[in-house]
Amino acid sequence: SAVISQKPSRDICQRGTSLTIQCQVDSQVTMMFWYRQQPGQSLTLIATANQGSEATYESGFVIDKFPISRPNLTFSTLTVSNMSPEDSSIYLCSVEDPGQNYGYTFGSGTRLTVV
Amino acid sequence: GQQVMQIPQYQHVQEGEDFTTYCNSSTTLSNIQWYKQRPGGHPVFLIQLVKSGEVKKQKRLTFQFGEAKKNSSLHITATQTTDVGTYFCAGRDYGQNFVFGPGTRLSVLP
Repeated sequence: SAVISQKPSRDICQRGTSLTIQCQVDSQVTMMFWYRQQPGQSLTLIATANQGSEATYESGFVIDKFPISRPNLTFSTLTVSNMSPEDSSIYLCSVEDPGQNYGYTFGSGTRLTVV
Repeated sequence: GQQVMQIPQYQHVQEGEDFTTYCNSSTTLSNIQWYKQRPGGHPVFLIQLVKSGEVKKQKRLTFQFGEAKKNSSLHITATQTTDVGTYFCAGRDYGQNFVFGPGTRLSVLP
Protein backbone atom coordinates (compact mmCIF):
# COMPACT_ATOMS: atom_id res chain seq x y z
CA SER A 1 0.00 0.00 0.00
CA ALA A 2 0.98 3.64 -0.40
CA VAL A 3 3.18 5.35 2.14
CA ILE A 4 2.57 9.01 2.95
CA SER A 5 5.08 11.21 4.74
CA GLN A 6 3.40 14.17 6.40
CA LYS A 7 5.13 17.00 8.18
CA PRO A 8 5.27 18.67 10.55
CA SER A 9 3.80 16.15 12.97
CA ARG A 10 2.85 18.92 15.35
CA ASP A 11 3.27 22.63 15.82
CA ILE A 12 2.27 25.40 18.16
CA CYS A 13 1.62 28.64 16.33
CA GLN A 14 0.76 32.21 17.20
CA ARG A 15 -2.62 33.52 16.09
CA GLY A 16 -2.47 35.50 12.88
CA THR A 17 0.36 33.44 11.42
CA SER A 18 0.24 30.71 8.77
CA LEU A 19 1.41 27.11 8.73
CA THR A 20 2.10 24.98 5.68
CA ILE A 21 1.67 21.23 5.95
CA GLN A 22 3.36 18.96 3.46
CA CYS A 23 2.49 15.48 2.25
CA GLN A 24 4.70 13.30 0.10
CA VAL A 25 3.38 10.05 -1.36
CA ASP A 26 5.65 7.23 -2.49
CA SER A 27 3.60 6.66 -5.64
CA GLN A 28 1.78 8.79 -8.19
CA VAL A 29 -1.84 9.49 -7.34
CA THR A 30 -4.46 11.50 -9.16
CA MET A 31 -6.25 12.95 -6.16
CA MET A 32 -5.10 13.84 -2.70
CA PHE A 33 -7.52 14.69 0.06
CA TRP A 34 -7.10 17.00 3.01
CA TYR A 35 -9.09 16.35 6.17
CA ARG A 36 -9.51 18.06 9.50
CA GLN A 37 -10.21 16.15 12.68
CA GLN A 38 -11.19 18.05 15.80
CA PRO A 39 -10.23 16.30 19.07
CA GLY A 40 -12.51 13.33 19.64
CA GLN A 41 -14.43 14.00 16.45
CA SER A 42 -14.76 12.48 13.02
CA LEU A 43 -12.97 13.46 9.84
CA THR A 44 -14.19 16.41 7.83
CA LEU A 45 -13.06 16.81 4.25
CA ILE A 46 -11.51 20.21 3.58
CA ALA A 47 -10.68 19.85 -0.09
CA THR A 48 -9.63 17.54 -2.89
CA ALA A 49 -6.39 18.38 -4.66
CA ASN A 50 -5.86 17.39 -8.28
CA GLN A 51 -2.59 17.88 -10.06
CA GLY A 52 -2.74 20.65 -12.61
CA SER A 53 -6.00 22.19 -11.48
CA GLU A 54 -7.37 24.16 -8.58
CA ALA A 55 -8.43 22.26 -5.52
CA THR A 56 -12.10 21.61 -4.93
CA TYR A 57 -13.24 22.86 -1.54
CA GLU A 58 -16.07 21.54 0.58
CA SER A 59 -18.78 23.72 2.00
CA GLY A 60 -17.43 25.84 4.83
CA PHE A 61 -13.84 25.86 3.59
CA VAL A 62 -12.39 28.53 1.31
CA ILE A 63 -9.22 28.87 -0.67
CA ASP A 64 -8.14 32.08 1.03
CA LYS A 65 -8.09 30.33 4.39
CA PHE A 66 -6.77 26.95 3.22
CA PRO A 67 -4.72 27.40 0.06
CA ILE A 68 -3.56 24.12 -1.44
CA SER A 69 -0.77 23.37 -3.85
CA ARG A 70 -0.42 20.23 -5.97
CA PRO A 71 2.68 20.69 -8.09
CA ASN A 72 2.99 17.03 -9.10
CA LEU A 73 1.41 13.61 -8.67
CA THR A 74 3.26 12.76 -5.45
CA PHE A 75 3.17 15.95 -3.41
CA SER A 76 0.72 18.43 -1.94
CA THR A 77 0.68 21.19 0.64
CA LEU A 78 -2.09 22.68 2.73
CA THR A 79 -1.63 26.09 4.29
CA VAL A 80 -3.69 27.20 7.26
CA SER A 81 -3.72 30.97 6.96
CA ASN A 82 -4.26 33.76 9.46
CA MET A 83 -4.74 31.21 12.21
CA SER A 84 -7.01 31.57 15.20
CA PRO A 85 -7.45 29.21 18.17
CA GLU A 86 -10.47 27.71 16.37
CA ASP A 87 -8.07 26.27 13.80
CA SER A 88 -6.48 24.08 16.46
CA SER A 89 -7.04 20.58 15.16
CA ILE A 90 -5.43 17.60 13.51
CA TYR A 91 -4.94 17.92 9.77
CA LEU A 92 -4.52 14.79 7.67
CA CYS A 93 -3.79 14.16 4.03
CA SER A 94 -4.93 10.99 2.34
CA VAL A 95 -5.05 9.17 -0.97
CA GLU A 96 -7.18 6.46 -2.48
CA ASP A 97 -4.87 3.49 -2.42
CA PRO A 98 -5.20 0.92 -5.21
CA GLY A 99 -3.04 -1.35 -3.09
CA GLN A 100 -5.92 -1.73 -0.67
CA ASN A 101 -8.99 -1.75 -2.88
CA TYR A 102 -8.98 2.05 -3.07
CA GLY A 103 -9.44 2.41 0.63
CA TYR A 104 -7.92 5.60 1.94
CA THR A 105 -4.35 5.66 3.22
CA PHE A 106 -3.70 8.56 5.57
CA GLY A 107 -0.64 10.51 6.49
CA SER A 108 0.31 10.47 10.16
CA GLY A 109 -1.34 13.83 10.72
CA THR A 110 -0.32 17.30 11.88
CA ARG A 111 -1.47 18.32 15.33
CA LEU A 112 -1.84 22.09 15.27
CA THR A 113 -2.30 24.23 18.35
CA VAL A 114 -2.92 27.94 17.89
CA VAL A 115 -2.26 30.15 20.89
CA GLY B 1 -26.86 15.71 1.79
CA GLN B 2 -25.63 12.28 2.68
CA GLN B 3 -25.43 11.54 6.39
CA VAL B 4 -23.72 8.63 8.09
CA MET B 5 -24.48 7.77 11.69
CA GLN B 6 -22.87 5.28 14.04
CA ILE B 7 -23.98 3.78 17.30
CA PRO B 8 -22.93 3.53 20.00
CA GLN B 9 -20.76 6.59 20.43
CA TYR B 10 -18.77 4.90 23.18
CA GLN B 11 -18.45 1.31 24.32
CA HIS B 12 -16.60 -0.01 27.32
CA VAL B 13 -16.11 -3.76 27.45
CA GLN B 14 -14.25 -6.23 29.58
CA GLU B 15 -11.47 -8.02 27.76
CA GLY B 16 -12.91 -11.17 26.21
CA GLU B 17 -16.36 -9.71 25.65
CA ASP B 18 -17.76 -9.13 22.20
CA PHE B 19 -18.30 -5.71 20.64
CA THR B 20 -20.48 -4.45 17.81
CA THR B 21 -20.76 -1.05 16.18
CA TYR B 22 -23.50 -0.13 13.73
CA CYS B 23 -23.38 2.27 10.83
CA ASN B 24 -26.41 3.76 9.07
CA SER B 25 -26.54 5.92 5.99
CA SER B 26 -29.31 8.26 4.90
CA THR B 27 -28.73 7.22 1.29
CA THR B 28 -28.04 3.98 -0.55
CA LEU B 29 -24.34 3.31 -0.76
CA SER B 30 -22.20 1.96 -3.55
CA ASN B 31 -19.71 0.78 -0.97
CA ILE B 32 -18.79 1.18 2.67
CA GLN B 33 -15.39 1.18 4.27
CA TRP B 34 -14.25 0.67 7.85
CA TYR B 35 -11.28 2.30 9.55
CA LYS B 36 -9.60 1.98 12.92
CA GLN B 37 -7.86 4.85 14.65
CA ARG B 38 -5.75 4.06 17.68
CA PRO B 39 -5.45 6.78 20.33
CA GLY B 40 -2.97 9.38 19.04
CA GLY B 41 -2.80 7.70 15.64
CA HIS B 42 -4.28 8.19 12.23
CA PRO B 43 -7.12 6.21 10.63
CA VAL B 44 -6.10 2.89 9.13
CA PHE B 45 -8.17 1.20 6.45
CA LEU B 46 -9.64 -2.14 7.51
CA ILE B 47 -11.96 -3.27 4.74
CA GLN B 48 -14.37 -2.32 1.97
CA LEU B 49 -17.78 -3.89 1.39
CA VAL B 50 -19.47 -3.55 -1.97
CA LYS B 51 -22.20 -6.17 -2.41
CA SER B 52 -25.60 -6.23 -0.81
CA GLY B 53 -25.60 -8.62 2.15
CA GLU B 54 -21.84 -9.07 1.96
CA VAL B 55 -20.06 -10.53 4.97
CA LYS B 56 -16.29 -10.45 5.36
CA LYS B 57 -14.10 -11.69 8.17
CA GLN B 58 -10.67 -10.68 9.34
CA LYS B 59 -9.65 -12.93 12.20
CA ARG B 60 -11.87 -11.83 15.10
CA LEU B 61 -13.52 -9.03 13.10
CA THR B 62 -16.71 -9.62 11.09
CA PHE B 63 -18.03 -6.96 8.75
CA GLN B 64 -21.51 -6.97 7.27
CA PHE B 65 -23.20 -4.85 4.61
CA GLY B 66 -26.97 -4.64 4.78
CA GLU B 67 -29.27 -5.97 2.08
CA ALA B 68 -30.47 -2.46 1.27
CA LYS B 69 -26.87 -1.17 1.23
CA LYS B 70 -27.75 1.53 3.75
CA ASN B 71 -26.28 0.00 6.87
CA SER B 72 -23.31 -1.97 8.03
CA SER B 73 -21.89 -3.48 11.17
CA LEU B 74 -18.52 -4.41 12.61
CA HIS B 75 -18.42 -7.15 15.19
CA ILE B 76 -15.35 -8.05 17.23
CA THR B 77 -15.33 -11.41 18.98
CA ALA B 78 -13.48 -11.78 22.28
CA THR B 79 -12.01 -8.30 22.44
CA GLN B 80 -8.39 -7.75 23.34
CA THR B 81 -6.66 -4.65 24.67
CA THR B 82 -5.14 -4.20 21.21
CA ASP B 83 -8.65 -3.53 19.87
CA VAL B 84 -8.81 -0.21 21.71
CA GLY B 85 -9.47 2.74 19.43
CA THR B 86 -12.14 4.48 17.43
CA TYR B 87 -13.85 2.63 14.61
CA PHE B 88 -15.16 4.72 11.74
CA CYS B 89 -17.36 3.67 8.90
CA ALA B 90 -17.25 5.70 5.69
CA GLY B 91 -19.91 5.46 3.03
CA ARG B 92 -19.69 6.31 -0.65
CA ASP B 93 -22.98 6.99 -2.37
CA TYR B 94 -23.70 6.77 -6.08
CA GLY B 95 -22.99 10.48 -6.44
CA GLN B 96 -19.44 9.69 -5.33
CA ASN B 97 -19.91 11.55 -2.06
CA PHE B 98 -17.72 9.93 0.59
CA VAL B 99 -18.63 10.64 4.20
CA PHE B 100 -17.15 9.40 7.45
CA GLY B 101 -19.40 8.46 10.33
CA PRO B 102 -18.80 9.98 13.77
CA GLY B 103 -17.06 6.85 15.02
CA THR B 104 -17.45 4.46 17.94
CA ARG B 105 -14.82 4.71 20.62
CA LEU B 106 -13.99 1.33 22.13
CA SER B 107 -12.21 0.87 25.40
CA VAL B 108 -11.26 -2.57 26.64
CA LEU B 109 -10.69 -3.16 30.33
CA PRO B 110 -8.08 -5.84 31.07
